[in-house]
Amino acid sequence: QVQLQESGPGLVKPSETLSLTCTVSGGSITNYYWNWIRQPPGKELEWIGYIYYSGSTNYNPSLKSRITMSVDTSKNQFSLKLSSVTTADTAVYYCARLTIDISGPGYFNYWGQGTLVTVSS
Amino acid sequence: DIQMTQSPSSLSASVGDRVTITCRASQSISNYLNWYQQKSGKAPKLLIYTAFSLQSGVPSRFSGSGSGTDFTLTISSLQPEDFATYYCQQTHTTPWTFGQGTTVEIK
Repeated sequence: QVQLQESGPGLVKPSETLSLTCTVSGGSITNYYWNWIRQPPGKELEWIGYIYYSGSTNYNPSLKSRITMSVDTSKNQFSLKLSSVTTADTAVYYCARLTIDISGPGYFNYWGQGTLVTVSS
Repeated sequence: DIQMTQSPSSLSASVGDRVTITCRASQSISNYLNWYQQKSGKAPKLLIYTAFSLQSGVPSRFSGSGSGTDFTLTISSLQPEDFATYYCQQTHTTPWTFGQGTTVEIK
């Protein structure tokens, strides 16, 4: 059974860089799109972006200037860096695997448990 | 961006009730529509993918329908464990977007 686990600091100061890692177990990171999604407290889900195992990326334009994603296939891990954070970036951050259906559409069928990152001085 | 609008935002229902949640996309997304269930403090769980396909392990009381811009999630007979928030999501065009959620509460 595929499992995902987020890790990283739970508190980040304004203007600094948020860094999170997602470790994949029970399956290979190869041949899938690996995603970051966030949810501010009490609000809806926001897709941040994905990285393919090969390293190609697709970021949400609303965050694109501040995002860097990377992948380490040898460790079965992928990572997110979000720079110049503000209090608006306080959220639960989830990592998730996108599976592509044979007919074309994709869906998130594996999620990490989520990690709360608070931006505060 | 494609906007996803769910209705209602919340509803109260009793165990055994039939519940219907609607999701409308701001432009056609074919069948690139997924439904997730989220319980408090937990990650979302995939229920329905490609508009109508039931994810493995999900009870058959959940069903999805629709294509183009209008979609529906139906719970045929609400069970105690179904009280949660439900989100639709499109994966037709990036940035992929979610609806604002529908909270199903106990009546």
